[in-house]
Amino acid sequence: QKEVEQNSGPLSVPEGAIASLNCTYSDRVSQSFFWYRQYSGKSPELIMSIYSNGDKEDGRFTAQLNKASQYVSLLIRDSQPSDSATYLCAVRGYGQNFVFGPGTRLSVLP
Amino acid sequence: EAGVTQSPTHLIKTRGQQATLRCSPISGHTSVYWYQQALGLGLQFLLWYDEGEERNRGNFPPRFSGRQFPNYSSELNVNALELEDSALYLCASSLIGGSSYEQYFGPGTRLTVT
Repeated sequence: QKEVEQNSGPLSVPEGAIASLNCTYSDRVSQSFFWYRQYSGKSPELIMSIYSNGDKEDGRFTAQLNKASQYVSLLIRDSQPSDSATYLCAVRGYGQNFVFGPGTRLSVLP
Repeated sequence: EAGVTQSPTHLIKTRGQQATLRCSPISGHTSVYWYQQALGLGLQFLLWYDEGEERNRGNFPPRFSGRQFPNYSSELNVNALELEDSALYLCASSLIGGSSYEQYFGPGTRLTVT
C-alpha cells in the first residue's frame, strides 16, 4: 500500500512567520511530488511541483525534496492570513497514479 | 486558457437513484482523473481515463463507473446511490508525457444523497 503521510495539524503560525509543512511517502520509486492548497469547500489548487532532489523556489513558496529520506516539504515565507488553508501533498509513482496525503491544516494568525 | 469545468455544481439524489457527473478537461489535456472527497476526509482516487480508455481505478465498487469521450471530456456514473456516497467529486486533468504530470482540478460537484 503506497502511503503519503502528513501531520493533520492544525499548524498555527503568526502572520509574517515561516510555515513549514512536511510530507513523507512510502514508495521509493516515486517520481514526482506536488503541493496543493485547498480552501474550505473549494477544490485543490496546484502550488508547486518538484521532481529532483533539492530546493525549488516560487515567490514565497519553497519546496524541498529528499528522495533518500523519502521526504518532501513546503516552506511558506512571510505567511499571510490568506494562506490559511489545508495543504495537500501528492506523490506520483510509476504510471500516472497520484496518491494524496490527508493534508495539513494551516492557520495564520493576524 | 479555460480551466477544468464540471457540471452540475450541486446534485441532490435519493438513495438507490443514479447520478451522472460531467467533466471537461483543459484544452490539450488527454487524461482525466476522478476523486471523491467526503466531508473532512482526504482525496480518494476513483478512476483515471486517458485517450478514451480506463487506465486505472481505485478501491471503489463497480457501481462507480465512467467513460471518456473522443473530445476527452468525461462522465462519472454512480449507480444505486448510498448515503455514504455524499461527497465532493473532483475531476482533474493532465497532459501525459513530457516533464510535467501536474493535475489541475475542476471546481467539483457536490453530491448529496438523501
